[in-house]
Amino acid sequence: GQNIDQPTEMTATEGAIVQINCTYQTSGFNGLFWYQQHAGEAPTFLSYNVLDGLEEKGRFSSFLSRSKGYSYLLLKELQMKDSASYLCAPGGGGTASKLTFGTGTRLQVTL
Amino acid sequence: DAGITQSPRHKVTETGTPVTLRCHQTENHRYMYWYRQDPGHGLRLIHYSYGVKDTDKGEVSDGYSVSRSKTEDFLLTLESATSSQTSVYFCAISDPGQGVTGELFFGEGSRLTVL
Repeated sequence: GQNIDQPTEMTATEGAIVQINCTYQTSGFNGLFWYQQHAGEAPTFLSYNVLDGLEEKGRFSSFLSRSKGYSYLLLKELQMKDSASYLCAPGGGGTASKLTFGTGTRLQVTL
Repeated sequence: DAGITQSPRHKVTETGTPVTLRCHQTENHRYMYWYRQDPGHGLRLIHYSYGVKDTDKGEVSDGYSVSRSKTEDFLLTLESATSSQTSVYFCAISDPGQGVTGELFFGEGSRLTVL
C-alpha cells in the first residue's frame, strides 16, 4: 500500500515563493508526479521526478529524495491564478500509471 | 489538450438504480482509468484498463464494474447505486510511449449524486 502526507492548506502572498512538501511510503516506485487542480476542474500534469534532485520548469520546480520518501513542489513568483490544489502522486511501478494521490494541498494566493 | 470526453457530466439518481458513465478518448492511448474524488480522500483508483477487454481492479473497486470493447471507450457501471457512491468521477488516459512517462490526462469529470 501507499501512504502519502502533504499539508491540507497553505496561504501565500502574490509574488512570493511557496514550498509544498510531500512525504510518502510506497511498496513500489517508478517516479513521483505533481498535479494542479483548480476548483471544479480536472487535475493537470505539472511535473515528474524519477531520479533524485531538482527538476525546474519555469516558475515551478520539483524535488525528489527517494531514500527519504520526500518530495516538494516549489512555486516562485506566485500569481493569483496559482490558487489551486496541488496533488502529490507517487507511481506504483509497472507501465500502467496506477498513481496513488495524496489528498492535496489547497494553496490560496492573496494580494 | 488530450481528447477525453466524459458523459454524462452531471447525474442525479436514486439508490438502487443502475448507472453507467462513459469515457471516450480520441488519442488512441492504451491505458484508461476511472478515479473517484471525495473530500478528505483525494483521487482513488476504481478500475483501469490496459487494452481492449483487459481490465483490472484498483483500490476501491467494490460496487463497480467496467468494460472496454473498443480502444476509445471505457465504461464504468454501478449496478445498484448507493449513497456512498456519490462522488466526482474522473476518467484518465495514459500511454507509456507518449509524453513524460505515463503521465495521466484527465477528463473533465462526472458529478454523480445518489439520493
